[in-house]
Amino acid sequence: GENVEQHPSTLSVQEGDSAVIKCTYSDSASNYFPWYKQELGKGPQLIIDIRSNVGEKKDQRIAVTLNKTAKHFSLHITETQPEDSAVYFCAASIGSARQLTFGSGTQLTVLP
Amino acid sequence: GAVVSQHPSRVICKSGTSVKIECRSLDFQATTMFWYRQFPKQSLMLMATSNEGSKATYEQGVEKDKFLINHASLTLSTLTVTSAHPEDSSFYICSATTGTPGNTIYFGEGSWLTVV
Repeated sequence: GENVEQHPSTLSVQEGDSAVIKCTYSDSASNYFPWYKQELGKGPQLIIDIRSNVGEKKDQRIAVTLNKTAKHFSLHITETQPEDSAVYFCAASIGSARQLTFGSGTQLTVLP
Repeated sequence: GAVVSQHPSRVICKSGTSVKIECRSLDFQATTMFWYRQFPKQSLMLMATSNEGSKATYEQGVEKDKFLINHASLTLSTLTVTSAHPEDSSFYICSATTGTPGNTIYFGEGSWLTVV
């Protein structure tokens, strides 16, 4: 089955700096890659997703890049703010209607 | 946007009793719902996939007789933890999708279960 690895497990950045979280996946058939933000005690919230027919997608301060050949995708957050502090999970699936395989999560801390 | 609601958000039950958690899609028909379990500071682990009107598909290692899943309608799936034990204490999260290719998977807010 699919295996998703996520790095780093923890990341601290100064407010205003950029943060990058990287994930690799094992199943070349995976074609849907969402990113979720999870605050303490709450369910995951979708922040951005990308499908395999696209190499990059951007939504304001958040961007995701996908390299299908290398089977890795990354989340980029620019101009970080303290409210960006949370755990971020990457995930992969074969089609968005199928079950997701999650990465291990990254605790992002934005220092004021 | 689409909303998935879970109830209760927190529940405490005694060992040996059963507890039911509901997952509802509020503004779309969810042909498929997923149940996850999450321990503190860990990732989400898929427990089972539930398709409306059919039996749930459980992941390896998940006891189907202990974690009963029912998806009787296109807007409601329930997870019942039977004969609960303290080790069942966890954060349970559901997600739902219309099943249409290209559609997004939406997550509920999660339910904290504490077995005492």
